[in-house]
Amino acid sequence: NAGVMQNPRHLVRRRGQEARLRCSPMKGHSHVYWYRQLPEEGLKFMVYLQKENIIDESGMPKERFSAEFPKEGPSILRIQQVVRGDSAAYFCASSPPDINGELFFGEGSRLTVL
Amino acid sequence: RKEVEQDPGPFNVPEGATVAFNCTYSNSASQSFFWYRQDCRKEPKLLMSVYSSGNEDGRFTAQLNRASQYISLLIRDSKLSDSATYLCVVPTNAGGTSYGKLTFGQGTILTVHP
Repeated sequence: NAGVMQNPRHLVRRRGQEARLRCSPMKGHSHVYWYRQLPEEGLKFMVYLQKENIIDESGMPKERFSAEFPKEGPSILRIQQVVRGDSAAYFCASSPPDINGELFFGEGSRLTVL
Repeated sequence: RKEVEQDPGPFNVPEGATVAFNCTYSNSASQSFFWYRQDCRKEPKLLMSVYSSGNEDGRFTAQLNRASQYISLLIRDSKLSDSATYLCVVPTNAGGTSYGKLTFGQGTILTVHP
């Protein structure tokens, strides 16, 4: 499967724990985006990364959230000290450099905070 | 005015019906627009791109009215498999799609019944 791979697909955490979501972009894609979809809401841009660089993190909450895309390995979205309001579907998307507006999304990671 | 605003729906139509969704956007400098489709608990997938006045692909027609800042999606001869949420999408970086920072509408739910 050459699509965008996300894991875990489902993650349950208790308040105060950490959540780590991983994303491997499509083969040949060097640009990774994270979007969040809260219940009953639309997708919201969080962050845009290229290898070893955060290009645009204007959609990231100021605290507890961080993202990286290392030289080797998947992109990781990390949420520290999770709260119930973090419960959402987190979608990763990738694109080639010459994007024409089409993002290829992974199936998402659904985080539930108890 | 919201950046991207869609008909709230839901739309419930019989097979074979024609249905249209509208979407308004606030940034008059936007040059390109997209309709994505999202099945229940799945990832969004690009349905159509709209760069000029409109685009047609089989049973689907997207139209753009720049003066009124709205985009429409028309589905003819609805199929059961068209049941999904349709997302109106506008690049957040006005004027182009230099990268995948997209603003998604909240979505319009379509249910096609036998």
